[in-house]
Amino acid sequence: KAGVTQTPRYLIKTRGQQVTLSCSPISGHRSVSWYQQTPGQGLQFLFEYFSETQRNKGNFPGRFSGRQFSNSRSEMNVSTLELGDSALYLCASKRDMGQGGDEQFFGPGTRLTVL
Amino acid sequence: AQSVSQHNHHVILSEAASLELGCNYSYGGTVNLFWYVQYPGQHLQLLLKYFSGDPLVKGIKGFEAEFIKSKFSFNLRKPSVQWSDTAEYFCAVNEGQAGTALIFGKGTTLSVSS
Repeated sequence: KAGVTQTPRYLIKTRGQQVTLSCSPISGHRSVSWYQQTPGQGLQFLFEYFSETQRNKGNFPGRFSGRQFSNSRSEMNVSTLELGDSALYLCASKRDMGQGGDEQFFGPGTRLTVL
Repeated sequence: AQSVSQHNHHVILSEAASLELGCNYSYGGTVNLFWYVQYPGQHLQLLLKYFSGDPLVKGIKGFEAEFIKSKFSFNLRKPSVQWSDTAEYFCAVNEGQAGTALIFGKGTTLSVSS
């Protein structure tokens, strides 16, 4: 069974640009969550999508957005990039059978560097 | 807002030493608890989880954790660490219902010397 895949793996952008990251969940998983991982702040929850709807959102500015497609694939977009957006962006998927305790499976992440 | 605290930022042990990593959370209601591990250059993967029932849960690679509700704690333990346990360990919590965010602690880096 293929794991969670994320593309691209590495990305270098300059301030002010925008970026789109992609995530393909494990087959059959309906929920996709995004996290930002930095050395200073650790893993911070960005948002979660379920059935093409944003079900939960973390405390990030509106420059961070996402969407989910009918095949459960998800994208996140960051507009007007700032230096502080440099981070590892992780995607996680879970089956979501109606209980919060479903295990989340993580992808390898996209390493974004903003210059 | 919910928060998760991991008491140790960096732990250094020799092989065969015992390990205990502390984790405390702030939410007072029903919770699901997790420990994840990130080996160098690898994905985050689940070590163990607690939903309900026996508060002592066993995970992969000989790890276990004990949920103590009165102390809002979920400490990770291993009786004898190996060099291959060198990794970063994350405690995570979400509220016990669908659609709630998984909140992570800042992580503990474990270095095991052979």
